[in-house]
Amino acid sequence: DGGITQSPKYLFRKEGQNVTLSCEQNLNHDAMYWYRQDPGQGLRLIYYSQIVNDFQKGDIAEGYSVSREKKESFPLTVTSAQKNPTAFYLCASSRDRGDSQHFGDGTRLS
Amino acid sequence: GQQLNQSPQSMFIQEGEDVSMNCTSSSIFNTWLWYKQEPGEGPVLLIALYKAGELTSNGRLTAQFGITRKDSFLNISASIPSDVGIYFCAGRGRGGNTPLVFGKGTRLSVIA
Repeated sequence: DGGITQSPKYLFRKEGQNVTLSCEQNLNHDAMYWYRQDPGQGLRLIYYSQIVNDFQKGDIAEGYSVSREKKESFPLTVTSAQKNPTAFYLCASSRDRGDSQHFGDGTRLS
Repeated sequence: GQQLNQSPQSMFIQEGEDVSMNCTSSSIFNTWLWYKQEPGEGPVLLIALYKAGELTSNGRLTAQFGITRKDSFLNISASIPSDVGIYFCAGRGRGGNTPLVFGKGTRLSVIA
C-alpha cells in the first residue's frame, strides 16, 4: 500500500543531544512537510520541501534542520538548540504544493 | 500572516445528535480542507473544497466553502461513537505557492 511512514513512534531526547526523525513516502509525491503539534496549538509548519535538494523554512524552523537528498525521504533533525522539543511531530506529503496533504502517523518526542 | 479561527474548541454531544463546526479566515482562501485526527495518529483528509459555494458530502459528513471565500463549515449528521477525534480545518490562499494554514482543531466527544 502507498503511504507515509514515520519512525520511530516514540523517541526520548537527552538534553544537549540531536535526534533525527525519519519520514519516508512511496506515493511519488514531490512536496513534503514537517509539522509540530502541541495541545491546543493546531499544526505549525517547521520545514517544507517542494523538490529534491531544496527546502524552505516554515513558521517555527529555529532549532530544527532537514535534508531532502531523495524524493521519498525527508528526515527532520531536532537539534540541541531546540529548548522545548517535547511535542508530536507529523510528516506530510502532496503531489505538489497546491495539492491536499497526506499525513504519517507521527512521532512523539519527549 | 494568514490566520484561521476554528470553533468550537471542543464539543460534548449525545450519540445521534448532529454536529456543526466552522472556520473563518482573515483573508480570502482558494482551498478549504477538513481533516480528522484520532489519538496517536496523523490527520486523515475528509473533504476538500475548491470553489466558493461548493457543498460536498462524504457519508454523514457535509462541508461547505463559504461564498465570501473566508469561511467553511463541517456538519456531521447522526453522530456515532467512532466520530470521536479532533477535526481540523485547513485553507490555502491565492497563489500556487501559498502555504496551507491549519485551524487549532475542534475536539469532539460523543456520549453513547
